[in-house]
Amino acid sequence: GEDVEQSLFLSVREGDSSVINCTYTDSSSTYLYWYKQEPGAGLQLLTYIFSNMDMKQDQRLTVLLNKKDKHLSLRIADTQTGDSAIYFCAVTSGSARQLTFGSGTQLTVLP
Amino acid sequence: EPEVTQTPSHQVTQMGQEVILRCVPISNHLYFYWYRQILGQKVEFLVSFYNNEISEKSEIFDDQFSVERPDGSNFTLKIRSTKLEDSAMYFCASSARQPQGTQHFGDGTRLSIL
Repeated sequence: GEDVEQSLFLSVREGDSSVINCTYTDSSSTYLYWYKQEPGAGLQLLTYIFSNMDMKQDQRLTVLLNKKDKHLSLRIADTQTGDSAIYFCAVTSGSARQLTFGSGTQLTVLP
Repeated sequence: EPEVTQTPSHQVTQMGQEVILRCVPISNHLYFYWYRQILGQKVEFLVSFYNNEISEKSEIFDDQFSVERPDGSNFTLKIRSTKLEDSAMYFCASSARQPQGTQHFGDGTRLSIL
């Protein structure tokens, strides 16, 4: 089955850009999502990209998809302390609706 | 903005007891899901539900688990005889009609089995 991997931790300085990376194994992955989880809260949908796209930009967020390498990234421009959270990559494969999640990347923004 | 709501936020139950976790999906959504996250592990898919029946389920979703949409607004997950290993955060999600509609999650119910 699908396997999704992320690095566990990332620290950046306030105002810098953050890049969170994700790799997946199933080449039939169709939709790829980024969710944000703040302490004690649920999973907040940030953005998503369809597999026929290479890039999607939404305000400070840029998603890049490299289908050949099965690599997805989330870039956050001008990172703020309020961006500190766990970021999850999740994918659907084929016609299935179930999401397969990565382990989450803990982003810490230092002042 | 409409949101998915889950109750209770924390449930403590004795091993062997039945537990029902409740969810109110977004009102115009048609697809409903349960996921769980055991502490320190990945978020795992349990089950999806559409048109009053299960559409997909994982290996985790065995005979101990059941889901129901008892009325037009609630979506429930029942665990019949809880085990210690059922302790986890349980997330409900819902999505709209379009194919691969984006899933919106609730804040979760933390289930603790003693």
